[in-house]
Amino acid sequence: SQTIHQWPATLVQPVGSPLSLECTVEGTSNPNLYWYRQAAGRGLQLLFYSVGIGQISSEVPQNLSASRPQDRQFILSSKKLLLSDSGFYLCAWRGQGRNYGYTFGSGTRLTVV
Amino acid sequence: SQQGEEDPQALSIQEGENATMNCSYKTSINNLQWYRQNSGRGLVHLILIRSNEREKHSGRLRVTLDTSKKSSSLLITASRAADTASYFCATDGTGFQKLVFGTGTRLLVSP
Repeated sequence: SQTIHQWPATLVQPVGSPLSLECTVEGTSNPNLYWYRQAAGRGLQLLFYSVGIGQISSEVPQNLSASRPQDRQFILSSKKLLLSDSGFYLCAWRGQGRNYGYTFGSGTRLTVV
Repeated sequence: SQQGEEDPQALSIQEGENATMNCSYKTSINNLQWYRQNSGRGLVHLILIRSNEREKHSGRLRVTLDTSKKSSSLLITASRAADTASYFCATDGTGFQKLVFGTGTRLLVSP
């Protein structure tokens, strides 16, 4: 069966420090991968998506970047965090079929102080 | 950007009552999906309805879709305290495969 792993669960980082959040998927190949961010009490904002290794599309220009070094690995990074980067970050995947739901990871709560 | 707007933003009911949440969206869609999120957790996919479908059922869930009005509703029948969560609609547009989420409805079911 397919599973998605996202870590860490919580993270407190100072302003100006780097960031690396990792997401891996097991039990499937060539998934579409997504990074979303959720501000407190709000909906989800799509940050990046990827249809294959090395293929990254950015939805929102910002202080973050994403990479997909392996088929089932998706990494969210920042060189220097801002206070506004605080939020709940969620990774998700879907297979190549169109009419299927997304499977989400358990999320990372990032607080920039 | 968020395409969907959910109504109401918050809903409080008693166990056993039905809960109805509405979602409106702006552009053409391939399908519309509903998700549930317990506080501080990831989202769980509940149900998907395609653009050529009008109604779909899954257990105590009933989803309707009206593409002419660009709206959908989620009905949870015979609610339970365990249904307490936030519910989001999400649209998969006719372009690239990416979901755009609404703002969510916070449902509180009291025993």
